[in-house]
Amino acid sequence: NAGVMQNPRHLVRRRGQEARLRCSPMKGHSHVYWYRQLPEEGLKFMVYLQKENIIDESGMPKERFSAEFPKEGPSILRIQQVVRGDSAAYFCASSRRTGTNEKLFFGSGTQLSVL
Amino acid sequence: AQKVTQAQTEISVVEKEDVTLDCVYETRDTTYYLFWYKQPPSGELVFLIRRNSFDEQNEISGRYSWNFQKSTSSFNFTITASQVVDSAVYFCALSGKEGGAQKLVFGQGTRLTINP
Repeated sequence: NAGVMQNPRHLVRRRGQEARLRCSPMKGHSHVYWYRQLPEEGLKFMVYLQKENIIDESGMPKERFSAEFPKEGPSILRIQQVVRGDSAAYFCASSRRTGTNEKLFFGSGTQLSVL
Repeated sequence: AQKVTQAQTEISVVEKEDVTLDCVYETRDTTYYLFWYKQPPSGELVFLIRRNSFDEQNEISGRYSWNFQKSTSSFNFTITASQVVDSAVYFCALSGKEGGAQKLVFGQGTRLTINP
């Protein structure tokens, strides 16, 4: 039973390019969460999605960032026109249900480096 | 607002020493969950423990133990007889209805270095 799969593991982009980060949740999980870890900081919540719906995007920057979780396929976090400040580790987590007692399973993260 | 504070930014000890990582939290929820995660140099997040707010019993798992004290809003983590493989960044986290179910609030992390 594979865990949460994120790819790519490392992504290098030049300023102004687009970055697409993919996350496949654990089998049977329909809830996906994205977190960002800036250098030397803890993880910060970005967005929570359920299949085809964005439930909570209170942690997403207002511009250039978007997320989706289609009916089929992985969840995608998309960053348009990347800037150096977007360099960070982006973690995806999934759960079977929602609720404060549900355990989140995290992927290994995607390290985004913007040159 | 919910908040998690890990006051120790870095800790360095010699192998076999015991070490305690502090975690203090703030929340207005009466029902909430506390977590510890380990992030080794490879970068992934490894789940260590989840504790709900109604269970104040201390937990021991091998060399790891956790002390949850609601009176001081603390959830400290102790490693006994530390080993080099314990070197990692450790995060304490909180979830509760105040912040939104499943929206974990993480502390800044404590970088633990175990020297041989």
